[in-house]
Amino acid sequence: EAGVTQSPTHLIKTRGQQATLRCSPISGHTSVYWYQQALGLGLQFLLWYDEGEERNRGNFPPRFSGRQFPNYSSELNVNALELEDSALYLCASSLGLAASYNEQFFGPGTRLTVL
Amino acid sequence: KNEVEQSPQNLTAQEGEFITINCSYSVGISALHWLQQHPGGGIVSLFMLSSGKKKHGRLIATINIQEKHSSLHITASHPRDSAVYICAVIDTDKLIFGTGTRLQVFP
Repeated sequence: EAGVTQSPTHLIKTRGQQATLRCSPISGHTSVYWYQQALGLGLQFLLWYDEGEERNRGNFPPRFSGRQFPNYSSELNVNALELEDSALYLCASSLGLAASYNEQFFGPGTRLTVL
Repeated sequence: KNEVEQSPQNLTAQEGEFITINCSYSVGISALHWLQQHPGGGIVSLFMLSSGKKKHGRLIATINIQEKHSSLHITASHPRDSAVYICAVIDTDKLIFGTGTRLQVFP
């Protein structure tokens, strides 16, 4: 069974540009979570989608946004990129709200570098 | 003070040693994850537990909900266990992560 996949693996942008990161969950999973891991810092929760809706977001500015598609894949968009947005962005998936809390399975991450 | 504290931050061991990593948390939780992150950045979920103890191979995880504490044990450690181990608690609908414990196991 395929795991969580993310694309691209690496992304280089300049300040002010927009970045789009993609995530495909494990088949059967309806929840997708996005996390940011900046260099030298711990993992921070960004966004949670389930059944196409945003269920919760972390303490990040509105220029971090995303969506979940009918096939449960998800996109994270970061607008007006700043240098401090350089980080590893991890996506995880789990069985969704219909089940009791479920284990999250992580993708390999997208490393975003902002120059 | 962080909501999830791990100790130690760094740990070195000789191959074969018994390893313990501790996690204490201050929020009410429904469950707790132990995660492993290798240098490339990929994260593997080792355990999710909400009570008692779980074992998988050489790894054992325990949790005491009343004391808000969990431990991850590695028996007969091996150089391939070298990684960052992260404790994450499930607070309603999101994960709150500890800062991780960097483990290096030398042959």
